[in-house]
Amino acid sequence: SSELTQDPAVSVALGQTVRITCQGDSLRSYYASWYQQKPGQAPVLVIYGKNNRPSGIPDRFSGSSSGNTASLTITGAQAEDEADYYCNSRDSSGNHLGVVFGGGTKLTVL
Amino acid sequence: EVQLVQSGAEVKKPGESLKISCKGSGYSFTSYWIGWVRQMPGKGLEWMGIIYPGDSDTRYSPSFQGQVTISADKSISTAYLQWSSLKASDTAMYYCARHSLPAATLDYWGQGTLVTVSS
Repeated sequence: SSELTQDPAVSVALGQTVRITCQGDSLRSYYASWYQQKPGQAPVLVIYGKNNRPSGIPDRFSGSSSGNTASLTITGAQAEDEADYYCNSRDSSGNHLGVVFGGGTKLTVL
Repeated sequence: EVQLVQSGAEVKKPGESLKISCKGSGYSFTSYWIGWVRQMPGKGLEWMGIIYPGDSDTRYSPSFQGQVTISADKSISTAYLQWSSLKASDTAMYYCARHSLPAATLDYWGQGTLVTVSS
């Protein structure tokens, strides 16, 4: 199966901007989706498609993509944004309808 | 309001069987793929497989093919994840999630079912 690679950990000062990236061959064919997971909670979808936010997700969250890399940007990070972030996309390696996740990025807000 | 409600935590012994459930409401259950995601303690998310309740078409990750069975009962809007013989390494949190294709966006998630396998 194809793989998605994320940096294990990223930190950002309160109120600053942070970019979390996700790399993989499948991203040349499919958009990534991004999920936020706080300790003890189920993941929550924060970005999908070209740059879409589900209802209730603050507009400081945005997404972009170029080549084999997708990015989640948080503009003006808040303390409540400290969480694990995962990307995912379709598996383009031939497993029809397969799905692949990145390893996750732990975001610390300083 | 779309909701996925999972069955409660389970404690089992190695070799035992188990079936956990995920009941959907607030949407047309037969019109969306629904799948399962594993999260082992302190680890990341792993996609296990999906089912289309409308016709029971089922796909598995190669990592989980033959290890689990995914099924659904559309009459009660419920998806299932089943093991015939649990191992200690199956200890994990299991989430169900509605899938929106083609991009495989998991737009709604269940609250998770903790499965503990210990002798």
